[in-house]
Amino acid sequence: ILNVEQSPQSLHVQEGDSTNFTCSFPSSNFYALHWYRWETAKSPEALFVMTLNGDEKKKGRISATLNTKEGYSYLYIKGSQPEDSATYLCASRLGDYKLSFGAGTTVTVRA
Amino acid sequence: NAGVMQNPRHLVRRRGQEARLRCSPMKGHSHVYWYRQLPEEGLKFMVYLQKENIIDESGMPKERFSAEFPKEGPSILRIQQVVRGDSAAYFCASSANRGETQYFGPGTRLLVL
Repeated sequence: ILNVEQSPQSLHVQEGDSTNFTCSFPSSNFYALHWYRWETAKSPEALFVMTLNGDEKKKGRISATLNTKEGYSYLYIKGSQPEDSATYLCASRLGDYKLSFGAGTTVTVRA
Repeated sequence: NAGVMQNPRHLVRRRGQEARLRCSPMKGHSHVYWYRQLPEEGLKFMVYLQKENIIDESGMPKERFSAEFPKEGPSILRIQQVVRGDSAAYFCASSANRGETQYFGPGTRLLVL
């Protein structure tokens, strides 16, 4: 993996269902993995910063896991609600500050 | 505590004009980062500034683009003689210290006609 890749590009989920999606990143020279939640016309909102292999973070119904050895992170949304509709961005931090972003996964929750 | 502010939110310029994009970091933050999102692409790092200093401008095009973060006032990303390919969303982020979480502004969407 040379770049940060996210899949799928978009997904639709029924209200109440759970879902998850993937961020793949170069495992060499890893510093940190960031997740952001981005609603249209708003600022990307920081969700998680993860640094250690096996890290697991949780914020409400959203959680994320990290595997630095194989270079992937999963983000999970449990019991999706319409307000979870957004684009979820992941970024690998290259050194102290430079973030390398994936193109995002756009989640649409249908009522 | 106000978040990162960017203005204008939308900017239309004709080819050859100058574009000035402003970013006011969160209160207490002295580290500013600019990113660009071209259509159908992810955010790409452009430049990192800390009050009055450019730390890393490796992602910024060598010509026509410049950035500053003066002692007083917002950070400015300046694009001279804009071309259609400069049309993009430009995002600014700030952090309290180097290496800490970057908080993003809402972006400025530049359209070059």
